[in-house]
Amino acid sequence: RKEVEQDPGPFNVPEGATVAFNCTYSNSASQSFFWYRQDCRKEPKLLMSVYSSGNEDGRFTAQLNRASQYISLLIRDSKLSDSATYLCVVKRGGGSYIPTFGRGTSLIVHP
Amino acid sequence: DAGVIQSPRHEVTEMGQEVTLRCKPISGHDYLFWYRQTMMRGLELLIYFNNNVPIDDSGMPEDRFSAKMPNASFSTLKIQPSEPRDSAVYFCASRGTSGSGVGGSSSYNEQFFGPGTRLTVL
Repeated sequence: RKEVEQDPGPFNVPEGATVAFNCTYSNSASQSFFWYRQDCRKEPKLLMSVYSSGNEDGRFTAQLNRASQYISLLIRDSKLSDSATYLCVVKRGGGSYIPTFGRGTSLIVHP
Repeated sequence: DAGVIQSPRHEVTEMGQEVTLRCKPISGHDYLFWYRQTMMRGLELLIYFNNNVPIDDSGMPEDRFSAKMPNASFSTLKIQPSEPRDSAVYFCASRGTSGSGVGGSSSYNEQFFGPGTRLTVL
């Protein structure tokens, strides 16, 4: 089983739709979780961290479920500009600085 | 302020040639990471440095790959000899601790990626 798994998609949704991605991780000792966004032929950029209590940033909501070992990203009122690949990132605790990236979920928002 | 700088942005070379990729991290950042991204394998961590010292190189695929960080503002990733299967996008990323350095974020966990080097080995 891969350490971090994501559905590659693509998720093809109309503008204004709500879309959700999940990411599962295998290491129960994982401590830090993030979502990165990568536009086509560009570098990944941090979208948001994922906190145990869940967190929201505008139209984006991230949640963590430690019992089931997954994190989620919810995007409300999708915009054309949200089209990108969303990478799930997991880091172990204990002072490890090594992040493990999922392969990403592709989102296409169409008019 | 400049982010992570990588050069060259594109490199096309022939099998067997030596390839050197360069990275300048964000000033003040004390961690530097080299990644490789392909369609098949996604984003893979090759090696990372802390305060110019290599900490974990377990992701380096084989002896043909080597990385150095002679000072806080410069790192290289070298492939010698190169092979067609090395074709990929190579990213360099840096991060600080406790929100140190230029980067525009207060999150010390955030890695800032360079624009990448797109390598094609024929």
